[in-house]
Amino acid sequence: EVQLVESGGGLVQPGGSLRLSCVASGFAFSDQYMDWVRQAPGKGLEWVGRIRDKANSYVTDYAASVKGRFTVSRDDSENSLYLQMNNLKSEDTAVYYCASTGSFLPWGQGTLVTVSS
Amino acid sequence: QSVLTQPPSVSAAPGQKVTISCSGRSSNIGDNYVSWYQQFPGTAPKVLIFDNNKRPSGTPDRFSGSKSGTSATLGITGLQTGDEADYYCGTWDNSLTGEVFGTGTKVIVL
Repeated sequence: EVQLVESGGGLVQPGGSLRLSCVASGFAFSDQYMDWVRQAPGKGLEWVGRIRDKANSYVTDYAASVKGRFTVSRDDSENSLYLQMNNLKSEDTAVYYCASTGSFLPWGQGTLVTVSS
Repeated sequence: QSVLTQPPSVSAAPGQKVTISCSGRSSNIGDNYVSWYQQFPGTAPKVLIFDNNKRPSGTPDRFSGSKSGTSATLGITGLQTGDEADYYCGTWDNSLTGEVFGTGTKVIVL
């Protein structure tokens, strides 16, 4: 079964850090570009960042709203995708999804990140 | 704010057809494949259409996608009460160097 499972969400204070993980199964993870997408409460979808595959030198891109604060990485040996989030702000509060946008692969179930004092 | 424009809502009676438009520009829809997603409250988005008009296994053929120029369209025929959900379009934007999504459309079955 093709599956993406996120973990690592929780409550964090403004200025704090959090690391999200996503474990993939059922497909050739190492061949896929992988993305993080978030959805604030009651809002639409917002792309966060992407990491390409080894053949494309693992190049990353980020949304302007998170550039310099968030880092996307991957470990193909563990079929895992990560999102390191630093200097978190209240506006980063959202459900974070692991996905391979543009493909047929299903998205993960999401993990909730709440930034609040 | 969203780069791709969708109508806030569309509605029709059961069994009828609805279409959802997604308007962009040459740097996004005009030059890249479009995907469509279905989302029920409290659940993750589900891929309905990818590469403009391809359906993943599990997507009924009542759902169809098309693209022309800088716009894309999702069609739903034989509308069912279970189709009531939010629908989003998405594609890569070459100028922004990022994935962009539509504003979202709520489908209402009358």
